[in-house]
Amino acid sequence: EPEVTQTPSHQVTQMGQEVILRCVPISNHLYFYWYRQILGQKVEFLVSFYNNEISEKSEIFDDQFSVERPDGSNFTLKIRSTKLEDSAMYFCASSEVTDTQYFGPGTRLTVL
Amino acid sequence: AQSVTQLGSHVSVSEGALVLLRCNYSSSVPPYLFWYVQYPNQGLQLLLKYTSAATLVKGINGFEAEFKKSETSFHLTKPSAHMSDAAEYFCAVSLNTGNQFYFGTGTSLTVIP
Repeated sequence: EPEVTQTPSHQVTQMGQEVILRCVPISNHLYFYWYRQILGQKVEFLVSFYNNEISEKSEIFDDQFSVERPDGSNFTLKIRSTKLEDSAMYFCASSEVTDTQYFGPGTRLTVL
Repeated sequence: AQSVTQLGSHVSVSEGALVLLRCNYSSSVPPYLFWYVQYPNQGLQLLLKYTSAATLVKGINGFEAEFKKSETSFHLTKPSAHMSDAAEYFCAVSLNTGNQFYFGTGTSLTVIP
């Protein structure tokens, strides 16, 4: 069964460093998303991406964040200058024209 | 604005007992509703979804949920809990295809042997 994959599974970085989280959505899907889950809190929407542009973003998704689909398979989330409060589990999701979003296993980002 | 409320951050049931996890939503339009399960150190797995078809929805692992518009609820049930059901359960709402999901705060289910 097709699935969303994410790399790395765990990323440790120093505050102020740039990180890139990578996702490979399900191949025939057209909508892509990033969510995050701070430890012990609920899953929060960051951004959605469709037709090579951002279609929706939350207040969390400020200028420090960017997304890109550099080729036909990868979907990346970049955090330019990480802060301690960026430590969280980051989930990528994708959907086709139907409603269901399929989530990847997540990348745990730890900012020291 | 859309929101999801999950009553009870922790629920404990005995093995074989009924599981009932509550979810209420607020939405300006008829929503799509979902339940996801998260096992320790894993991602979110779709349990079931409601998308304006039958109001009683059956999902994987014996779970089902009923959409009640009058109560704005989408509670998750399973007749008989199994040890392997211990996990975090999230209710989510979406307005339309391609729109963001709004998640509840989650309910941690413990199954007591």
